[in-house]
Formats: sequence, structure tokens, C-alpha cells
Amino acid sequence: AQKITQTQPGMFVQEKEAVTLDCTYDTSDPSYGLFWYKQPSSGEMIFLIYQGSYDQQNATEGRYSLNFQKARKSANLVISASQLGDSAMYFCAMREEDSSYKLIFGSGTRLLVRP
Amino acid sequence: DAGVIQSPRHEVTEMGQEVTLRCKPISGHNSLFWYRQTMMRGLELLIYFNNNVPIDDSGMPEDRFSAKMPNASFSTLKIQPSEPRDSAVYFCASMGQGLGTEAFFGQGTRLTVV
Repeated sequence: AQKITQTQPGMFVQEKEAVTLDCTYDTSDPSYGLFWYKQPSSGEMIFLIYQGSYDQQNATEGRYSLNFQKARKSANLVISASQLGDSAMYFCAMREEDSSYKLIFGSGTRLLVRP
Repeated sequence: DAGVIQSPRHEVTEMGQEVTLRCKPISGHNSLFWYRQTMMRGLELLIYFNNNVPIDDSGMPEDRFSAKMPNASFSTLKIQPSEPRDSAVYFCASMGQGLGTEAFFGQGTRLTVV
């Protein structure tokens, strides 16, 4: 069964520094996708980045990159040059082909960027 | 496209009343998800549909909860009777086919049952 684990309930980072948010997953399906979403205090869910299980390279989107280690089943989000506006809740999610494209989320990590 | 549209944005109701939450997915998306978000339980998947067919409703907490998707452009989540512990933010999300498409979320419905 698919499972997503985020072990960091909360994290602090100094403005302009990089931060890594951890995500591990469990699946027996060779075909899956991994997503990261940001939820600011206003409540909306904002898509950040996607990594497919067959992608050879780590995904990058601006200041966001995904450190995908398939053998370890981890998909950590790296935010470079943190900004105050990065303070938010961050969710890792997974979608499997075998489970008819069910999309499940981890418990989230609350990131606070300090000035 | 206006994105995923949920209504109402806020709902306050008395315990025992019926509550209906509505969702209009993005046109062309064939998967629709209902999630519930609380501080204690995070973002829980309640039910999802592919091509208007319910695929997995194992996350629906009790028989008091029901969901329908009568056509590709509309879905409802109904709670009858509502209880205070149902208070949460309910999100609807839609996705296109395949693994590589992102989920688009509605703004959510904040439900308060008093």
C-alpha cells in the first residue's frame, strides 16, 4: 500500500539560507509520481514541483529542487535562498498507477523563515 | 478556466443538520478528490472518482458521509447528520489523466458544526 511520511513537523531556517524538507514513501508500484505542495497561512494549496519514478534527473523549478533517491524511497524538497514568503506548510504527495491514480499526502512540515 | 470551484467557502451549521459541499472540477480533468484537513489529522483523502466513478471511499469516516459525481463537471459531499467533530476544511481537487499532471485544488470549504 502506498504511504508517505514526513518526519519533520516543524522547521526553522534563516532567510537566504537553503533548507531541506524530508519525505519518504513506500510503494511496490514501479510507476508513480511524487509532488510537493505549499500551503501558506491563507490556506490555498500551491503546486511546487513534480518527480516521476522513471525520471533520470532530479526535478527543479526555480528555487525548488527535488532530491530524488529512488533506492532509499526518498523525495526531499530543497528550497534555496529562503525568503520570508516561504514560511508555510509543505506537503509531499504520491500518486500510483496501480492504485488507479490515488493521490495521498504526508502529514506536512511547517517551515518558518527567520529574518 | 476558473480553476476548481468549491461552494460554499464557509458554512456554519448546527449539529444534526445536513450539509452539502459542492465542487466543480477543471474541465477535461478526469480525476476528482475530496480531502478533509484538520490540525489533528492533517490532509485526509475521503474519496476519489475517476471518470465520474467512485474508486476508493475507504477514507469516508462514517455512513453519515456520502459523495456523488453525477457528471464530469460537478460533485457533492454530503454530511447527514452533521456533528461538531466534522468541523474542518474540506478540499476538492481535480487532476488530468496520468501520473505527471498536478492536482489543482479548490479554495476549500471551512465547515463549522456547532
